Amino acid sequence: DQQVKQNSPSLSVQEGRISILNCDYTNSMFDYFLWYKKYPAEGPTFLISISSIKDKNEDGRFTVFLNKSAKHLSLHIVPSQPGDSAVYFCAASMNTGNQFYFGTGTSLTVIP
Amino acid sequence: DAGVIQSPRHEVTEMGQEVTLRCKPISGHNSLFWYRQTMMRGLELLIYFNNNVPIDDSGMPEDRFSAKMPNASFSTLKIQPSEPRDSAVYFCASSFGIVNFFGPGTRLTVL
Repeated sequence: DQQVKQNSPSLSVQEGRISILNCDYTNSMFDYFLWYKKYPAEGPTFLISISSIKDKNEDGRFTVFLNKSAKHLSLHIVPSQPGDSAVYFCAASMNTGNQFYFGTGTSLTVIP
Repeated sequence: DAGVIQSPRHEVTEMGQEVTLRCKPISGHNSLFWYRQTMMRGLELLIYFNNNVPIDDSGMPEDRFSAKMPNASFSTLKIQPSEPRDSAVYFCASSFGIVNFFGPGTRLTVL
């Protein structure tokens, strides 16, 4: 049973606009969340994280928002660039441990 | 640093054959993870080791799958016998802390 869900398999956005990637989870024990980015033929690479004690974390063009009551988090990329085209995975862990549960990924295409 | 190294990068085999995937974690990392990526289930954790000791293998799909970590710099994931439904990309990752650092993956095709 998927405890972390990314319901949009793909997303297309114009260069310069905002990309919003969504992630839902079912386990209220999750207390740490990460986003990974994956290019073809490469392994996922860490992008940004957020602890459950926060509701927002920002790093340059990337911002992650956490809504604990809705068990929902989102990744905002502003402005989107063609190099952001990749598959984005959401992941969650409990007790701030290093065993993560991943979603199925969202493929982002940024159109020049 | 070379990052996590996996071999082979691609493996094509026939049903019933034994398959061995190899991983060299980043030096100094004390945790190692094996994941499987499929379209339907995304990235699934198969097993992870802490200080070379298997901690949780509940994600290993069947007894056909086994993993070892004989020392801090090497791990294997073995499938015996392999089946077509095992076709997927298998990732190894290592960490010293929360973030997993992934290798490039092994694309396995079982005919």
